[in-house]
Amino acid sequence: DAKTTQPTSMDCAEGRAANLPCNHSTISGNEYVYWYRQIHSQGPQYIIHGLKNNETNEMASLIITEDRKSSTLILPHATLRDTAVYYCIVNLPQGGKLIFGQGTELSVKP
Amino acid sequence: GAVVSQHPSRVICKSGTSVKIECRSLDFQATTMFWYRQFPKQSLMLMATSNEGSKATYEQGVEKDKFLINHASLTLSTLTVTSAHPEDSSFYICSAEQTGLDYGYTFGSGTRLTVV
Repeated sequence: DAKTTQPTSMDCAEGRAANLPCNHSTISGNEYVYWYRQIHSQGPQYIIHGLKNNETNEMASLIITEDRKSSTLILPHATLRDTAVYYCIVNLPQGGKLIFGQGTELSVKP
Repeated sequence: GAVVSQHPSRVICKSGTSVKIECRSLDFQATTMFWYRQFPKQSLMLMATSNEGSKATYEQGVEKDKFLINHASLTLSTLTVTSAHPEDSSFYICSAEQTGLDYGYTFGSGTRLTVV
C-alpha cells in the first residue's frame, strides 16, 4: 500500500503558486520523499525529491516538515501545462519499488 | 538526462493473441526495470520487477504465466501479454532504475493496449 495521503484534487489559477500537500506520517529515517507528475496518457515525470532539507530546482520547490511527517510541493507560477496528476511517494534511494497512491489531480485554470 | 523508450505506443490486438511491449533504456544500463498497469481514472499499479539475467518478481495477484517478462540485457526488458482478453486492455508503463542516481527512476511513455 502507498505510504502517503494526498488530496484528491485541487484547482489553481494560472500564474499563481500551486501548493500540493502530502502526508507521510510513517516515513522511516532513510526514506526519501519523491514527487512525480503524470500528464494525461503519458508516463510519469520526475519533479523533485528530498530527505529532510528543503529542495528547489527549475521545476518546483519541496518543503519537508521538521518531523518529516508531511511535505508540500510548490509550483511557484503555475501554467496550464502544469495540469496533471501529482504523486508523492516515499522510497529508499536505491533498490526500492515505487508504489503509487491516488495522487492529486491539479487543474490550472486561466 | 536518462531516457526510457517504450514501444509500441499503441496496439490493438484480437482476443486470444499475444502482444509484446518493449522497454529500452537508451543512455544508461538498467539492472532493474518495473512494469505498471493503469486503468482509466486510476493510479499506476505495479505488476512486476524485472531483473537482468534472472526471473521477474511479480506482485501479488499478477499472473506470471499471462504477463511474461524477459530482461535479457541491461538495456531491454519486454512484457508479453499472452492470450489477451478485453479485460487486459489498459495502459502499460515501464520504468528503469539508473544506478548511481538517487532519483534513479525514469519512466517510458506508456503503451495503450486495446484487445478487441
